[in-house]
Amino acid sequence: AQSVSQHNHHVILSEAASLELGCNYSYGGTVNLFWYVQYPGQHLQLLLKYFSGDPLVKGIKGFEAEFIKSKFSFNLRKPSVQWSDTAEYFCAVNSGAGSYQLTFGKGTKLSVIP
Amino acid sequence: DTAVSQTPKYLVTQMGNDKSIKCEQNLGHDTMYWYKQDSKKFLKIMFSYNNKELIINETVPNRFSPKSPDKAHLNLHINSLELGDSAVYFCASSQGGTGYTFGSGTRLTVV
Repeated sequence: AQSVSQHNHHVILSEAASLELGCNYSYGGTVNLFWYVQYPGQHLQLLLKYFSGDPLVKGIKGFEAEFIKSKFSFNLRKPSVQWSDTAEYFCAVNSGAGSYQLTFGKGTKLSVIP
Repeated sequence: DTAVSQTPKYLVTQMGNDKSIKCEQNLGHDTMYWYKQDSKKFLKIMFSYNNKELIINETVPNRFSPKSPDKAHLNLHINSLELGDSAVYFCASSQGGTGYTFGSGTRLTVV
């Protein structure tokens, strides 16, 4: 069974600081990888996804993530955070083509201080 | 033109009651899901239907019963509600597992 680990439970940054949120998954086969954001009181929105090809994926709102297959990692990055990035961030994985089950990590709460 | 819509948005009910949450998607996706988000924000899949057929049924009490009348609808009925059922329930849909769209959630509070 696949699983996802997000190592940081709560990250606190000042505006303009750089962000990197860790995500590791455990599954030996082909995977699709996702990052979702949940703003306070709102639903999940897709930030970016990786299926194949260039391991550096660019998403919305200036976010990007890098898939490193040898490390089973898919870390999320942003060079300069804003107060409006305060939210909960979820990494998720499904086991490739034909798979339907999206497994989530436990989430990382990001608080950005103005 | 909400892609995945859930009703109601908020639901407060007493222990022991039976309640339903409805979900509809207008994306033409072939698969629909129910996820539960607990108080610690952890998201866990409950059920998944592909073209009206149940394909994922995680360890969920029998009090929870999904119903999919057609490809665009997946409703969740909960019998004999318990305090521990309090959570936010998200409906989602996807086409072949390559892109998931979530509804805005139903916050269920059992008192």
